[in-house]
Amino acid sequence: SQKIEQNSEALNIQEGKTATLTCNYTNYSPAYLQWYRQDPGRGPVFLLLIRENEKEKRKERLKVTFDTTLKQSLFHITASQPADSATYLCALSHYNQGGKLIFGQGTELSVKP
Amino acid sequence: SQTIHQWPATLVQPVGSPLSLECTVEGTSNPNLYWYRQAAGRGLQLLFYSVGIGQISSEVPQNLSASRPQDRQFILSSKKLLLSDSGFYLCAWTIVQGLSYGYTFGSGTRLTVV
Repeated sequence: SQKIEQNSEALNIQEGKTATLTCNYTNYSPAYLQWYRQDPGRGPVFLLLIRENEKEKRKERLKVTFDTTLKQSLFHITASQPADSATYLCALSHYNQGGKLIFGQGTELSVKP
Repeated sequence: SQTIHQWPATLVQPVGSPLSLECTVEGTSNPNLYWYRQAAGRGLQLLFYSVGIGQISSEVPQNLSASRPQDRQFILSSKKLLLSDSGFYLCAWTIVQGLSYGYTFGSGTRLTVV
């Protein structure tokens, strides 16, 4: 069955460092991979999308890589700030599935000042 | 601009009671609409999605149903709630060519079945 795995343990880093979150998937050939941010008690907020034929995508302090051979995406936040503390969700979609998005369980990031 | 409204924000319901959660989208036409549920500390589980009026696809067999009576309205219902229906329910939308665009989520409904 399709499986999406993210670091189950919380990631704790110091302010100013680069946070790197991992998303691995099995039994899936996604057309698109997306990253979302979720704060406690709130709905997820879309951050970045990367297509299967793209290796890397950047947006301000965020960078996403997508390796379809390794079946892995890495999500980087450079110069991290305490305001970046949240849970980050990875999600995948395929061409022929009505646009439906399948989510990983998320990784909680805590940035300490 | 597009907005999504979801209500109520919190709900406490007894076991066996009915449920109706409503979601509406403004500022767009013919969106794809989705209902997700999130258990505490877990990821999002897709429950239903709709690509048009009256078109509902169910992802998980359960005690819930969904309807789309209007283009921008999506309703999640249950005739008799179970304790296991407790969770954080999220509505989301994306444009029809939704594969290449992010989803926009509502603020969610925290449902506690007692």
